[in-house]
Amino acid sequence: SQKIEQNSEALNIQEGKTATLTCNYTNYSPAYLQWYRQDPGRGPVFLLLIRENEKEKRKERLKVTFDTTLKQSLFHITASQPADSATYLCASGAGSYQLTFGKGTKLSVIP
Amino acid sequence: EPEVTQTPSHQVTQMGQEVILRCVPISNHLYFYWYRQILGQKVEFLVSFYNNEISEKSEIFDDQFSVERPDGSNFTLKIRSTKLEDSAMYFCASSDGVSSNQPQHFGDGTRLSIL
Repeated sequence: SQKIEQNSEALNIQEGKTATLTCNYTNYSPAYLQWYRQDPGRGPVFLLLIRENEKEKRKERLKVTFDTTLKQSLFHITASQPADSATYLCASGAGSYQLTFGKGTKLSVIP
Repeated sequence: EPEVTQTPSHQVTQMGQEVILRCVPISNHLYFYWYRQILGQKVEFLVSFYNNEISEKSEIFDDQFSVERPDGSNFTLKIRSTKLEDSAMYFCASSDGVSSNQPQHFGDGTRLSIL
C-alpha cells in the first residue's frame, strides 16, 4: 500500500524567508498529491493539488513541485508570515477517493 | 463559502456505550467521508460513501462502525460499543465527486473521549 512520509516533524524559520516542506512517497507513483493546512483543534484545509504529469503548481505565495524520479513533492511558502504557522499535511489518493496522509510538518514562523 | 459542519464538537462517553457523530456535508457534494486522528498521529481514512452506500472502507472500519445518510443533509457515523482506543478526533469530509482527484472539504471534527 502507498505510504506518505513527511520526515520533518517541525520546521522553524524567520519571517520573510521561504519555507520548504518535503513529502516522500513509497511504492507506486500516485496520480496526484494534495497539500492541506491544519491548525490546532481544526480540520485540514485544502491548499493545492498537483497531478503526476505536472512539474509545478502555484497559488499566491505557495508553490508545489512533483518529482516522480525522486518520489518527492516539495511545498514552498515564500515571504513567510507568522500567520503561516500551522501543520502542513501531504496526502495521496492514488486514483482512489480515500486519502492517505503523512504525519505532517509543524511550521513555526518566527517574527 | 459553504462548509462542512460537525456536531457535537466534544463527546464524552463511557466505554461500551453507543455513540453517533453527526455531519452536514456541503449541499451539492456527492462523496462523503469519515477520517479519524488519534492525538499526535496522522489523519487516517475510515470510510467513503457514495450513492447511499459504502464505496471504500479501511481495516479500522470494522463491524462496530456504521454510516448512514438518514435524510438529504445529514451523514452520521455510529460506533456501536465504544472502546478506549476509539478516543480520537473524528473528521467528516465531502467532495463533489466529479473525479477522485478533487479536494476534500473537512469539518472541524468531533473530539470523542471514551472513559
